[in-house]
Amino acid sequence: DAKTTQPTSMDCAEGRAANLPCNHSTISGNEYVYWYRQIHSQGPQYIIHGLKNNETNEMASLIITEDRKSSTLILPHATLRDTAVYYCIVRVGSSASKIIFGSGTRLSIRP
Amino acid sequence: NAGVTQTPKFQVLKTGQSMTLQCAQDMNHNSMYWYRQDPGMGLRLIYYSASEGTTDKGEVPNGYNVSRLNKREFSLRLESAAPSQTSVYFCASSDKTGAPSGTIYFGEGSWLTVV
Repeated sequence: DAKTTQPTSMDCAEGRAANLPCNHSTISGNEYVYWYRQIHSQGPQYIIHGLKNNETNEMASLIITEDRKSSTLILPHATLRDTAVYYCIVRVGSSASKIIFGSGTRLSIRP
Repeated sequence: NAGVTQTPKFQVLKTGQSMTLQCAQDMNHNSMYWYRQDPGMGLRLIYYSASEGTTDKGEVPNGYNVSRLNKREFSLRLESAAPSQTSVYFCASSDKTGAPSGTIYFGEGSWLTVV
C-alpha cells in the first residue's frame, strides 16, 4: 500500500470548515483513499473513502485531485466534538494487505 | 452489535512475564489486524491475517506472536514482556463485503503496562 503524508497538527475555529490535506504521490490506480479519525484513545472510526471522484456523506466531503496524488478531507462546520486525530490511508479496498496508518493530523477546534 | 471485542481492557505485567491479548469479531470478516499505539503517537501495525490460517508481519512485529485461531479470533502473544511494549493495543477487522467496501472496524483497545 502507498504511504501518505499529513501535517502533524492543525486548528480551526468552531463553525468554520476544517480542511485536512493528505499527500499520496505513489498511489496506484486501484488504491482507494480512506479517512479515519480517532477521538481521545478510542479505536479509529471510518469517515469517508473514494477512488477518484469527490465524495460526500453526512460527516464530511472528500476532494481528490485529478492526478490522485493528494486529497483533502473537509468537515463543513467543525464543532468541538471534531477535535481528534485524523488519519488518511490508501489501500486496495477489496483485498487484505498491510494497512499503514501513519501519525495522522491532530485537529484542534477552538471555540 | 458487538463488532470487534478485545480482552483484557487493562493489564499490568512484570518484565519477563507472558500474556495473550484476545480479539474476536462477529462480522464474518476475513482480515484481522493488531496495532499498537504509544502515547501521542500514531497506530503501528504489528501483525495482520488476510484469512483464516495465514498471518503476516507488519511494521513492528518483534517481540510478538499471533495466532489466527479461526475466522472469528485473532490473538496476540507477548512471550517475554518488556517495558518498551507498554502501549495501547488495538485489534481490527475488515473485509471486501459490507458497506462501504474495505472499511476497517476497531476494538476499544487494550491498555498494557509493563513494569
